[in-house]
Parts: sequence; structure tokens; C-alpha cells
Amino acid sequence: ETGVTQTPRHLVMGMTNKKSLKCEQHLGHNAMYWYKQSAKKPLELMFVYSLEERVENNSVPSRFSPECPNSSHLFLHLHTLQPEDSALYLCASSQSPMDRGLFHGANVLTFGAGSRLTVL
Amino acid sequence: GQSLEQPSEVTAVEGAIVQINCTYQTSGFYGLSWYQQHDGGAPTFLSYNALDGLEETGRFSSFLSRSDSYGYLLLQELQMKDSASYFCAVRDSNFNKFYFGSGTKLNVKP
Repeated sequence: ETGVTQTPRHLVMGMTNKKSLKCEQHLGHNAMYWYKQSAKKPLELMFVYSLEERVENNSVPSRFSPECPNSSHLFLHLHTLQPEDSALYLCASSQSPMDRGLFHGANVLTFGAGSRLTVL
Repeated sequence: GQSLEQPSEVTAVEGAIVQINCTYQTSGFYGLSWYQQHDGGAPTFLSYNALDGLEETGRFSSFLSRSDSYGYLLLQELQMKDSASYFCAVRDSNFNKFYFGSGTKLNVKP
């Protein structure tokens, strides 16, 4: 496989469930991202992992928990979600922008197809 | 904080030229990017401007003016397949954060 692969593509869960979203990239990138996409809203950056360091958006609720075991895999663990968490969750990867400034590859995000989450 | 403003929707006819504007406010700046997203699909990278001026890639061009915190995406010879949402994005100097606008839905009509 090539590019960025996300599984599952669709997920329906109750508010008391625990589930995980998985992302895998085969591009040799060393930065990975989780974005949330809701209708009519900007893509919301949730988490960034670069060179195994994590950067968080402080507004993301603790019911979302990321895990990045290596530079190719990224997970988003979900527990006790709310209906307003229903959205498309997009994973992306890039070359790490750290210390690369205007380097083109550091400024290109490659996205997966997304995981459509519905919370009942 | 960071904010990016772009029109919510634009309609044009096949063969025409359309310009999608983006204004931004960021705490730092490492360039303006554009992404295309078809319904049900993933955003895909179109272009990136780090410096002022025009970048051309086939039918698509992108422009940046850093002094005005402004850029645009120009689509020429519009085709029906160009109907999609277009997002501008900035990377700021605060680590690895990329911020996106709300997107402009482009409707191309015959």
C-alpha cells in the first residue's frame, strides 16, 4: 500500500464505548497529525507528532487520546464520546517541518481518506 | 491566535476563470498552501507559496502577498471535475502546526 491509510472508514459508537482509529503512512514521513472536520468549520488540528514528540491543541477534550508508537503509525483512542464529536477524522503526514523552514516537503500534508465517526 | 478567511461558496461556468481569496492572521508564518477536497474524499495538496508572487501549476496558480497577509488560488479553463471545496492553510512558526480556513465550495456549471 502507498500513501496514508486510515481504518476504519466508518465507525458508529455509543457514548459509553471505547474504540480506536488507526492511521498508517508509507511515505517515509516523520510527522503525523490528527484533524477533525465538521461541516462548515475549518479543519481543526487536534494533535501533532513530530520526531516522536507530541504537540497538543489544548482545546481537545481528554476523551480523545493519541498514541504514536513509531513514525509510521498513529492511533486516536476514543472513550465516553459525545454526539457533538461526530465528524470526519483525518490523519495526515509530512516531512517534519522542524528546522526546515521553507523546505517544500515540510509544507505539504498528505491526508488519508478519513474515518467517519458517528456517536449515538 | 490564527484565523483564515475565505468565501464560503463560489459558482462559475465551465471554461471560465475563478479566483478564491484567502486572508490570514497568524502568530508566525512559513507559507500559504491550498488543498482541494471532493465530496467524500481526502484533502489533496495543490500548491504552496513561501514567498511573494505567483506560482503556476498547469491550470492552477496561487499568489501570495505577505505584506497584505493575503493570497489567492486562480483556476483557469474550469472543468466540471473542479467542483470541490478548496482550503487555504498556513503553517506558523510555532512548531508543526498547520491551520486551515473553512473552505470555499466551488460549483462549476455547464
